[in-house]
Amino acid sequence: AQKITQTQPGMFVQEKEAVTLDCTYDTSDPSYGLFWYKQPSSGEMIFLIYQGSYDQQNATEGRYSLNFQKARKSANLVISASQLGDSAMYFCAMIGVFRWTGTASKLTFGTGTRLQVTL
Amino acid sequence: EAGVAQSPRYKIIEKRQSVAFWCNPISGHATLYWYQQILGQGPKLLIQFQNNGVVDDSQLPKDRFSAERLKGVDSTLKIQPAKLEDSAVYLCASSLDGGLGTQYFGPGTRLLVL
Repeated sequence: AQKITQTQPGMFVQEKEAVTLDCTYDTSDPSYGLFWYKQPSSGEMIFLIYQGSYDQQNATEGRYSLNFQKARKSANLVISASQLGDSAMYFCAMIGVFRWTGTASKLTFGTGTRLQVTL
Repeated sequence: EAGVAQSPRYKIIEKRQSVAFWCNPISGHATLYWYQQILGQGPKLLIQFQNNGVVDDSQLPKDRFSAERLKGVDSTLKIQPAKLEDSAVYLCASSLDGGLGTQYFGPGTRLLVL
């Protein structure tokens, strides 16, 4: 079974500053994928970035980057140059591939971090 | 490319009534998911379809919830009869072919059961 832990229920950051949202995970699957999603108050879940467990490089997408440290089982999201529109809930999630069957597990979410960007 | 469509966006019903939600996935996506997100929590998978077959419905309360994806495209999720604890956001997502593929979510349906 997979487990995602997000220890920061809420974070504040000033506009134009960088912020790191923490995510640790636990799995025994040999292969897995890590995702970050943004959920504004309107409710939709917006995909931000993906990191595969065998990817050599840390994933980047525009102002988003994923600081992947496999040995520490962490997959922190870094948002550079924060904007007011970044204020939202952020969820870390993962899917594993079962060792013996090769089938994928459910997408498991953490409890989320609420980010508030201030002027 | 059009995203995942869901309707209605909001629904208020009384307990013991029935309700249905509709989802249209991204064109060409074989895998469709229904999630329930209770306030303050991350989404929880209710059911996963691959084309029109069920892959995983282990967390679907089958005594009151049902879902179908008859032609492998659109899907409906039904609750009958609704309970107070069913108040949540119901999110539909789709991915190209399941597995480790990225899931893209629709705007969700906010359900309030009174």
